[in-house]
Amino acid sequence: DAGITQSPRHKVTETGTPVTLRCHQTENHRYMYWYRQDPGHGLRLIHYSYGVKDTDKGEVSDGYSVSRSKTEDFLLTLESATSSQTSVYFCAISDWSSGSYEQYFGPGTRLTVT
Amino acid sequence: AQSVTQLDSQVPVFEEAPVELRCNYSSSVSVYLFWYVQYPNQGLQLLLKYLSGSTLVESINGFEAEFNKSQTSFHLRKPSVHISDTAEYFCAVSDRGGGSYIPTFGRGTSLIVHP
Repeated sequence: DAGITQSPRHKVTETGTPVTLRCHQTENHRYMYWYRQDPGHGLRLIHYSYGVKDTDKGEVSDGYSVSRSKTEDFLLTLESATSSQTSVYFCAISDWSSGSYEQYFGPGTRLTVT
Repeated sequence: AQSVTQLDSQVPVFEEAPVELRCNYSSSVSVYLFWYVQYPNQGLQLLLKYLSGSTLVESINGFEAEFNKSQTSFHLRKPSVHISDTAEYFCAVSDRGGGSYIPTFGRGTSLIVHP
């Protein structure tokens, strides 16, 4: 299994509070991604990173920010959590330079905003 | 931009019966194709992939998928399913070339295997 962890695994927070989710990899992969998974919507890309300090928006980036100061860590921040951000969040990594092209996913973080 | 359609949101089937999960994508440009499986309360994991070469690809647990360029499809099949195959299945497509490290996912198909 690819070395990818997410923390916390579960979190309950109140509307309006800031929340930071962490993704940590030990594979030295260049690309990292944050997705949210909701019933009926499948996986939707929030933000992604193609290197240290290099990030870009996905299709559902409003209300989220990211940072990547080290190859191994990719942080997702909800500046002011809303109930619509209740979801399961997955981090993924990929390494296109190896010619494999697939993504490896973390175990997910279940976030509930009350 | 690609779009990926998984035609069935849910597929119920009895154990030992064959199953097909359908996946169509929008663009006929050269693509990489993937099927991922998600077991309950877990992340996604790669089931099989098509990058080039033979259009029929197989997984270690009996699934296979066939790349059909003319129909822009990558349907997943298994001749005899087990209870343990109950899971969510996602089809994903990446365009070859620039920006191809951002795959497009379908909405998923829930395979429910009944005893």
